[in-house]
Amino acid sequence: QKEVEQDPGPLSVPEGAIVSLNCTYSNSAFQYFMWYRQYSRKGPELLMYTYSSGNKEDGRFTAQVDKSSKYISLFIRDSQPSDSATYLCAMGYSSASKIIFGSGTRLSIRP
Amino acid sequence: NAGVTQTPKFQVLKTGQSMTLQCAQDMNHNSMYWYRQDPGMGLRLIYYSASEGTTDKGEVPNGYNVSRLNKREFSLRLESAAPSQTSVYFCASSEGPGLAGTRQYFGPGTRLTVT
Repeated sequence: QKEVEQDPGPLSVPEGAIVSLNCTYSNSAFQYFMWYRQYSRKGPELLMYTYSSGNKEDGRFTAQVDKSSKYISLFIRDSQPSDSATYLCAMGYSSASKIIFGSGTRLSIRP
Repeated sequence: NAGVTQTPKFQVLKTGQSMTLQCAQDMNHNSMYWYRQDPGMGLRLIYYSASEGTTDKGEVPNGYNVSRLNKREFSLRLESAAPSQTSVYFCASSEGPGLAGTRQYFGPGTRLTVT
């Protein structure tokens, strides 16, 4: 079993829809949770970063962590075609530990 | 300000050949990393350098060597390429020495095919 599981998609939604992207994990020791966005043929870029549990909001993006269920989510409101990309979740045990990445979900926003 | 740059962008090697992937950053970051990305596997850490003069193994170091040439440059060497090393390789850097605790900036990647 992988430490971090992520549905590969692809996920296709119409412009303006609310998008929900999710990851599950098996190790309760994870404390740092991240979402990276990767456009086609580009390197990943950090989108959201959360320490421990709870919600974090940044513009149209909201990251949620539910440690009791070992489940993290990224919500995108008012989705735009420019949000079309692969979204990777990532987690770490401590500030000095390596990051474990999910395999990524391909998202396509239809105009 | 170019951020993280990688050369080459594409490379095709025959089994057994060697090559070095180059990475440079102009953000004065202390830490640098090498990842590989394979379909369905996500990003996996090969090696990292927490600071100039130090290197450590990551999750998948076998078949690779690294050199932290100076604060700006971190190279990845394949001594004897194998088809299993066909992948997209990403270099990244961060200001702090932590891994999960600091934001990493990624380069555009090198697409390597070993035949």
